[in-house]
Amino acid sequence: QVQLQESGPGLVKPSETLSLTCTVSGDSISSYYWSWIRQPAGKGLEWIGRIYTTGRTNYNPSLKSRVTMSLDTSKNHFSLNLSSVTAADTAVYFCARDFGAAAPFDSWGQGALVSVSS
Amino acid sequence: QSVLTQPPSVSGAPGQRVTISCTGSSSNIGASYDVHWYRQLPGTAPRLLIFGNSNRPSGVPDRFSGSKSGTSASLAITGLQAEDEADYYCQSYDSSLSGWVFGGGTKLTVL
Repeated sequence: QVQLQESGPGLVKPSETLSLTCTVSGDSISSYYWSWIRQPAGKGLEWIGRIYTTGRTNYNPSLKSRVTMSLDTSKNHFSLNLSSVTAADTAVYFCARDFGAAAPFDSWGQGALVSVSS
Repeated sequence: QSVLTQPPSVSGAPGQRVTISCTGSSSNIGASYDVHWYRQLPGTAPRLLIFGNSNRPSGVPDRFSGSKSGTSASLAITGLQAEDEADYYCQSYDSSLSGWVFGGGTKLTVL
């Protein structure tokens, strides 16, 4: 059974770059699609972006100018960079897997809380 | 403001039936993209509950069902149990955004 685990700093200063990694176990990252989704405290889910094994990416238009996603097949993990963060980027960040097209997210990480504060 | 609209809260007594609506537009649900539903308990990740409008993953009881019509979808829960208390989210693909969109979430309270 596939497992996903987010890791990265829990505190980021305003204007800096938020960086998270999702390590995948139980399956190869060289298949499927991999997404980042975030959830501010007490609020709903927001899809950030998705990366495929070829490196092709799709980003949420509202975040596109600040988001970069990458993957490392040798380490079986993929990463998120979100630049120029503000307090509005404080949220729990989830990584998740889907099977492409308009498929659902069938596996999720437990989530990583990232706070933006000086 | 979410692209897909859900009621903020619904409630029902044990044993009753409740429905949660999810309203979209011609660029998502109305464009024939599938709707998926997730359940989220406090402090945990969302878990897939219904996929492809009306299909249940293995292990999800048949008390949960989904449907879709036009630009809307619904999640129905019958035989409400205390353990059904959670937040429920709908999700679909949006062609104008070229990405995935979620509803704002509905908090289910079992009275």
